[in-house]
Amino acid sequence: DTGVSQNPRHKITKRGQNVTFRCDPISEHNRLYWYRQTLGQGPEFLTYFQNEAQLEKSRLLSDRFSAERPKGSFSTLEIQRTEQGDSAMYLCASSFKNTEAFFGQGTRLTVV
Amino acid sequence: AQSVTQPDIHITVSEGASLELRCNYSYGATPYLFWYVQSPGQGLQLLLKYFSGDTLVQGIKGFEAEFKRSQSSFNLRKPSVHWSDAAEYFCAVGPLGREYGNKLVFGAGTILRVKS
Repeated sequence: DTGVSQNPRHKITKRGQNVTFRCDPISEHNRLYWYRQTLGQGPEFLTYFQNEAQLEKSRLLSDRFSAERPKGSFSTLEIQRTEQGDSAMYLCASSFKNTEAFFGQGTRLTVV
Repeated sequence: AQSVTQPDIHITVSEGASLELRCNYSYGATPYLFWYVQSPGQGLQLLLKYFSGDTLVQGIKGFEAEFKRSQSSFNLRKPSVHWSDAAEYFCAVGPLGREYGNKLVFGAGTILRVKS
């Protein structure tokens, strides 16, 4: 068990480009969460999967954001037509049922 | 609405001194409560959690926290701070809808500085 893994760790992109992040949860965890953290703030919930089903999406998740978790394993978060306001740390977490969530190291996105 | 307040944005303590970080929450039912720590540019590491039972919970790295329902608080304490404890600390409450898993609401964090 190597914990929650996120790739890439850092991403710099030009405004208007699309980006995709990957999260590999702890292998036996059936729940997977995406959070966004901006400077000076705590993480904010974006979306949540139980196995392959996306069960909830925050209003923070605009139409430019899409998340998938094919086969209930790894997950991807795609941001289309990036904007400077999308610059943030994107954190993935996983848990087994209602136990505590374990977080990955995050992907730091900078939109220039 | 569910919310978490961490009143102190920054706290500075001397190495070896005791530490208390404050956390107050607003939640409509019995909450799950967590403290996470984050080093610069890193993800979050779970320090401790409260689900039920004994209101004084022990965590890793010598931290403990006490759940006080009457005060809606879950303050984090450590009797003697080490320089390596310098980091940002987040209090969180969940779940928000048990049938949808334990998504969390976080406070804005408290940055701990340790002076030698």
